[in-house]
Amino acid sequence: SQQGEEDPQALSIQEGENATMNCSYKTSINNLQWYRQNSGRGLVHLILIRSNEREKHSGRLRVTLDTSKKSSSLLITASRAADTASYFCATDAGETSGSRLTFGEGTQLTVNP
Amino acid sequence: DGGITQSPKYLFRKEGQNVTLSCEQNLNHDAMYWYRQDPGQGLRLIYYSQIVNDFQKGDIAEGYSVSREKKESFPLTVTSAQKNPTAFYLCASRSIGGWNIQYFGAGTRLSVL
Repeated sequence: SQQGEEDPQALSIQEGENATMNCSYKTSINNLQWYRQNSGRGLVHLILIRSNEREKHSGRLRVTLDTSKKSSSLLITASRAADTASYFCATDAGETSGSRLTFGEGTQLTVNP
Repeated sequence: DGGITQSPKYLFRKEGQNVTLSCEQNLNHDAMYWYRQDPGQGLRLIYYSQIVNDFQKGDIAEGYSVSREKKESFPLTVTSAQKNPTAFYLCASRSIGGWNIQYFGAGTRLSVL
């Protein structure tokens, strides 16, 4: 079963605006990751945040993690049309889960030029 | 050129037919995964393998089979027992140890004739 739930399911913004996507999960995790998927393509890893971290930055990406609320958010600043894609969170519960990632259902982001 | 290659890109299955999806990687990764993605949804794990000649069922293994005879290859067979095979299939791999970051192929889209 899917552990991660993302909201919103779809988000449409104008170029230059910020985009925020949220992910909630149910069990304890080792780390949480965000992936991007362009239409009809494979997923590409964006950023990983460990369970003992609260915030992480990579370029225009900012990820936060609140393990007490079992939630994470992905912020994309100064969005571009090329950021249009689906974004998925994935949780890693560690070796006890067989080193599996559990993916959320994704947020479809559309950035209008 | 390192990466994960999935073939074919598009595949059509006739009723009662078994079809095999290919996944090859030259990243020297130990673990390989097969996911199914239905339209507008997240990824669901079909099978995974952490070592040659060994593999485990994921969440939706019924109607599918795999083999792992070589480190580089992890083919997925969609059998006639899978009554609803139309989906986008993604293969991924990762190295054992370190963080569970997965690298994905470009996917195979399977349709039923």
